Amino acid sequence: SQQGEEDPQALSIQEGENATMNCSYKTSINNLQWYRQNSGRGLVHLILIRSNEREKHSGRLRVTLDTSKKSSSLLITASRAADTASYFCATEEPGTYKYIFGTGTRLKVLA
Amino acid sequence: NAGVTQTPKFQVLKTGQSMTLQCAQDMNHNSMYWYRQDPGMGLRLIYYSASEGTTDKGEVPNGYNVSRLNKREFSLRLESAAPSQTSVYFCASSERPSGEKLFFGSGTQLSVL
Repeated sequence: SQQGEEDPQALSIQEGENATMNCSYKTSINNLQWYRQNSGRGLVHLILIRSNEREKHSGRLRVTLDTSKKSSSLLITASRAADTASYFCATEEPGTYKYIFGTGTRLKVLA
Repeated sequence: NAGVTQTPKFQVLKTGQSMTLQCAQDMNHNSMYWYRQDPGMGLRLIYYSASEGTTDKGEVPNGYNVSRLNKREFSLRLESAAPSQTSVYFCASSERPSGEKLFFGSGTQLSVL
């Protein structure tokens, strides 16, 4: 079974609004990463947050990590039509060198 | 700088045929990965190679074999293709096996009839 579950599965917002998507996972982790996938293409890395970090920012992206709840959230502020994509979280389990992906959130930003 | 290159981009096989998906990276990365992506399932790890000379099973290794040919190349072989292996296959690499971001290829769309 997959480690991460993203919520919601799909999200549709207007340009300029903020988009929040959540990831829950099952086991302890070394770090958690977020990736974006445009339709039919490979994934692109967005941000990595380590297990001892609680929040991280990169441009319009803000990621939080709550290891006690085994959850993370990705906030995209002031969304643009170009942010339309699927977003995936990926976790690295300690001692395994495995990066396990969640099922993804499909974001649609309407112009 | 090409990054991660996968060949072929598209392939159609008949049940029982074999084929090898090729992956090469030019970033001098130590670790390489093979994932498959099915609708609604996200990406699932098939095999990975933490460093040259090592390979390990991921979440869904059955029906596949891999070869880490050298530091640059990591191939995925389907010995006897089945319709359940119809999927999009992604190769990825990272500088080190732990704590690093993954760089992905553009994928191979495989259909098994």
